[in-house]
Amino acid sequence: NAGVMQNPRHLVRRRGQEARLRCSPMKGHSHVYWYRQLPEEGLKFMVYLQKENIIDESGMPKERFSAEFPKEGPSILRIQQVVRGDSAAYFCASSRGELYEQYFGPGTRLTVT
Amino acid sequence: AQTVTQSQPEMSVQEAETVTLSCTYDTSESDYYLFWYKQPPSRQMILVIRQEAYKQQNATENRFSVNFQKAAKSFSLKISDSQLGDAAMYFCAYKLNYGGSQGNLIFGKGTKLSVKP
Repeated sequence: NAGVMQNPRHLVRRRGQEARLRCSPMKGHSHVYWYRQLPEEGLKFMVYLQKENIIDESGMPKERFSAEFPKEGPSILRIQQVVRGDSAAYFCASSRGELYEQYFGPGTRLTVT
Repeated sequence: AQTVTQSQPEMSVQEAETVTLSCTYDTSESDYYLFWYKQPPSRQMILVIRQEAYKQQNATENRFSVNFQKAAKSFSLKISDSQLGDAAMYFCAYKLNYGGSQGNLIFGKGTKLSVKP
């Protein structure tokens, strides 16, 4: 039973480019959470999605960031016009439902040069 | 707003000894979960142990146990018989026990644990 998968594991972008991070939840999971981890910090919640719906995006920056979880395919976290401050590790977690345990993927480390 | 505080940025323990990592949290809610996650150098987040707030009995998982003091809002992790593989960042986390927009995890800043051979 495959765990949560994230790709790419490492992503390098120049300032102003777009970054797309993908997350495939565990089989049977329809709830996805995205978290960001800045250096020397804990994880901070960004957005919570169910299939085709954004449930809570209160942790997402208002500009340049967007997320989707289509009916088919992985969840995508998209960062437009990246800046150096976007450099961080981005983690995805999935669960069977709102009250169930969240399982984490290995993360994507984004470096903006 | 709920917050989680880990006051020990770094801790060190001798192999085979016992170490306790501290965590306090602030909430006005009564129904929630608390977790300890381990993050080794690979950066994978691994769930170590969980505690339901309505349970008085402290959770245990093999060499890992917690001391949950609900009134004091304290949730410490005890690692017994420490092993070299226990070296990692440890994060304390909180989650309300209902879903919707309140279902996300809130993490502390972490404690880096070193294990000396």
